[in-house]
Amino acid sequence: AQSVTQPDIHITVSEGASLELRCNYSYGATPYLFWYVQSPGQGLQLLLKYFSGDTLVQGIKGFEAEFKRSQSSFNLRKPSVHWSDAAEYFCAVFNGDKLTFGTGTQLKVEL
Amino acid sequence: DTAVSQTPKYLVTQMGNDKSIKCEQNLGHDTMYWYKQDSKKFLKIMFSYNNKELIINETVPNRFSPKSPDKAHLNLHINSLELGDSAVYFCASSQVGVGNTIYFGEGSWLTVV
Repeated sequence: AQSVTQPDIHITVSEGASLELRCNYSYGATPYLFWYVQSPGQGLQLLLKYFSGDTLVQGIKGFEAEFKRSQSSFNLRKPSVHWSDAAEYFCAVFNGDKLTFGTGTQLKVEL
Repeated sequence: DTAVSQTPKYLVTQMGNDKSIKCEQNLGHDTMYWYKQDSKKFLKIMFSYNNKELIINETVPNRFSPKSPDKAHLNLHINSLELGDSAVYFCASSQVGVGNTIYFGEGSWLTVV
């Protein structure tokens, strides 16, 4: 069965600093990977996804993620964080039937 | 136009009551889902339907009964509500096929008192 691990429960960064959120997956076949963001009291918004091809994918709001098969990772990055990026971030893997989510990483941004 | 819409957004109800959450998608997708987010923000699938047929039922108590009158709607009915049912319930939809995104609704915040 597939699984997703997000090792960092909380991360705090200063506004303007770079960000990397870690995600490791376990899946037997080619993974379809997603990052979603959830602002407080809001729903889930898709940031980006990876299905095949270029291992560096660009998303909305200046986010990118890199798929590394050898490390079973799909880490999310942003070069310069804005205060409005404070939210919960979820990595997920899709197996053709359903999305399996990680436990999420809460991002706090210090001004 | 909201792609996946759920109603109500907030629901406070007493233990033992029966309640429903409605979901509609206007994306023309053939698959719809219900996910539950618990108090620790953990998201887990409950059900999925493809063209009105139940595909996934993930060890959810029988008190939860999804109903799909057509492929654009997937409603969730909950009988005899318990305190532990308090959570955020997300509806989602997608089109079957490689590379297709799952789109989520805004969530329904259920509080059982």
